[in-house]
Amino acid sequence: DIMMTQSPDSLAVSLGERATINCKSSQSVLYSSNNKNYLAWYQQKPRQPPKLLIYWASTRESGVPDRFSGSGSGTDFTLTISSLQPEDVAIYYCQQYYSAPRTFGQGTKVEIK
Amino acid sequence: EVQLVESGGGLVQPGGSLRLSCAASGLTFSSKWMHWVRQAPGKGLVWVSRINSDGSTTNYTDSVKGRFTISRDNAKNMLYLQMNSLRAEDTAVYYCARDQGVGPKVGAFDIWGQGTMVTVSS
Repeated sequence: DIMMTQSPDSLAVSLGERATINCKSSQSVLYSSNNKNYLAWYQQKPRQPPKLLIYWASTRESGVPDRFSGSGSGTDFTLTISSLQPEDVAIYYCQQYYSAPRTFGQGTKVEIK
Repeated sequence: EVQLVESGGGLVQPGGSLRLSCAASGLTFSSKWMHWVRQAPGKGLVWVSRINSDGSTTNYTDSVKGRFTISRDNAKNMLYLQMNSLRAEDTAVYYCARDQGVGPKVGAFDIWGQGTMVTVSS
């Protein structure tokens, strides 16, 4: 199984400031035949299901604000919220879909400082 | 409206059984892989099972192999999870989720249901 490790477990950021979440996979999730990273980011607000934010490591899902961006390749990935808004308070998960089982990171809780 | 709606959760004794259902509406269902993901209270997301578009291929996380069975009825736009020999550690919110991949290609989970709570306790 591919293990996904996020850092930090939690962070507090001032409104309007940048939030950065890291995700590391235990093996590469880059598929060489199509040069795509099989890595997604989800946002989960309290008492709600997860919501897809980013797929293929850097493609924003339709309707997701452009303050959310994803980067990285191979085994190291980053989710950046460029200017934190009150509605961004949530837990964020990375997930690999390179191989079964589709493993998630443990989650990073983002709060307002 | 695009939605997945789970049902069938509840309180069950250890060793008991439950069948979860997930009704799809307003979205492409029959050509997509579908998944079950669970979340224990206060914990993270854990992938449980998946099924391909015609139901011929299924996969499970190790902890539920031999106890859970995923299935689907494309004529009814329904996904199911039969859960037998339930244990306390199966207590969680169970979500169904659609794979955004097309045909045999896999993708991220682009549509999620609201979840149904399963509690295994005596």
